[in-house]
Amino acid sequence: EDQVTQSPEALRLQEGESSSLNCSYTVSGLRGLFWYRQDPGKGPEFLFTLYSAGEEKEKERLKATLTKKESFLHITAPKPEDSATYLCAVIKAAGNKLTFGGGTRVLVKP
Amino acid sequence: GAGVSQSPRYKVAKRGQDVALRCDPISGHVSLFWYQQALGQGPEFLTYFQNEAQLDKSGLPSDRFFAERPEGSVSTLKIQRTQQEDSAVYLCASSLIGVSYNEQFFGPGTRLTVL
Repeated sequence: EDQVTQSPEALRLQEGESSSLNCSYTVSGLRGLFWYRQDPGKGPEFLFTLYSAGEEKEKERLKATLTKKESFLHITAPKPEDSATYLCAVIKAAGNKLTFGGGTRVLVKP
Repeated sequence: GAGVSQSPRYKVAKRGQDVALRCDPISGHVSLFWYQQALGQGPEFLTYFQNEAQLDKSGLPSDRFFAERPEGSVSTLKIQRTQQEDSAVYLCASSLIGVSYNEQFFGPGTRLTVL
């Protein structure tokens, strides 16, 4: 059975304190791994798609990396506006649905 | 419109009532998905349409849940005889082409509360 586990569940950071979020996955034939950001009361907002081990993508203070078993979302020098829940999801080969992890709630304090 | 829209944004139902949730995808998007998100959890897949065809409904939790997309655009998720465990946010997403790994754009969701 496909499984996606995110850790930690919650993360409190001081502004400027860099950190990493982990997404471990078990899926038969990964087609793609997605990172989304979700603010309270809103739908998930797309950040990145990673397709193969070794791939990296960056956007502002965020950098996503992928290995054969996990993905990391690095937040460099975060600002309060980076506070949100970050969701990881996978799609397997010949599949169409996203299987999400439980998310990591990030709070960046000024 | 510019993005996926959903209505109503909030719905309160008494146990046993039927509800209908609407999703307007981004114009031209072939694929449409429904997800259910419980409080503090990640979204869970319910069903998937490619144009008007419902290709996967494996995530629908019971036969009280029914989804349709008759003209390949707007979709409606209907829940009959609502139960308290149906309380959740229902998210709709659409993507441009009928391929699974393409980026899915999400709407703001409908928060359903069953009393």
